[in-house]
Amino acid sequence: DAKTTQPNSMESNEEEPVHLPCNHSTISGTDYIHWYRQLPSQGPEYVIHGLTSNVNNRMASLAIAEDRKSSTLILHRATLRDAAVYYCIRNNAGNMLTFGGGTRLMVKP
Amino acid sequence: DAMVIQNPRYQVTQFGKPVTLSCSQTLNHNVMYWYQQKSSQAPKLLFHYYDKDFNNEADTPDNFQSRRPNTSFCFLDIRSPGLGDAAMYLCATSRGGGGGNQPQHFGDGTRLSIL
Repeated sequence: DAKTTQPNSMESNEEEPVHLPCNHSTISGTDYIHWYRQLPSQGPEYVIHGLTSNVNNRMASLAIAEDRKSSTLILHRATLRDAAVYYCIRNNAGNMLTFGGGTRLMVKP
Repeated sequence: DAMVIQNPRYQVTQFGKPVTLSCSQTLNHNVMYWYQQKSSQAPKLLFHYYDKDFNNEADTPDNFQSRRPNTSFCFLDIRSPGLGDAAMYLCATSRGGGGGNQPQHFGDGTRLSIL
């Protein structure tokens, strides 16, 4: 049971921002929210993670709702290389990842 | 660059013939994980090592075993592969501790085919 809900697929235009939503309404107070992405024929790649505060890194931003029941991964300017499956994962104290279905992001030129 | 390396990228074996997949890391991470990813599905954790301590997931078949001779290397052994074991096998590492605050670093996987 992945315990997160994401849209199956989303589309974006190249060079536009993308907001990928994730619901995790049963999240516990100590679960971190992790995002990974998987490009075709590659292993998953870590993108970003957070607990309560919004987070930024060179790849993306993570906006976490105040009640922590949802989060949004923000890609500021989508490129064709960002086309991938994006997984939102609740990471508990054991640091075990349970992958759900993810969101397949398609980027149009 | 520090990384997680899986060899080979593609492996073909015969039904019932034992096969070993290997993973090495230069990150000096405490924890190493093995995942199975079948076609069009998400990765599924099989087991992990925290240092020398082996931790099996409850629903991992007995056919799958693992060895970690040292910090850098970890092996996945499939004793008698069946057709249903054809999949991508992913190795990952992370630092220990941190309570969910540790990213995992994945290799690019070994795609196993069963004839």
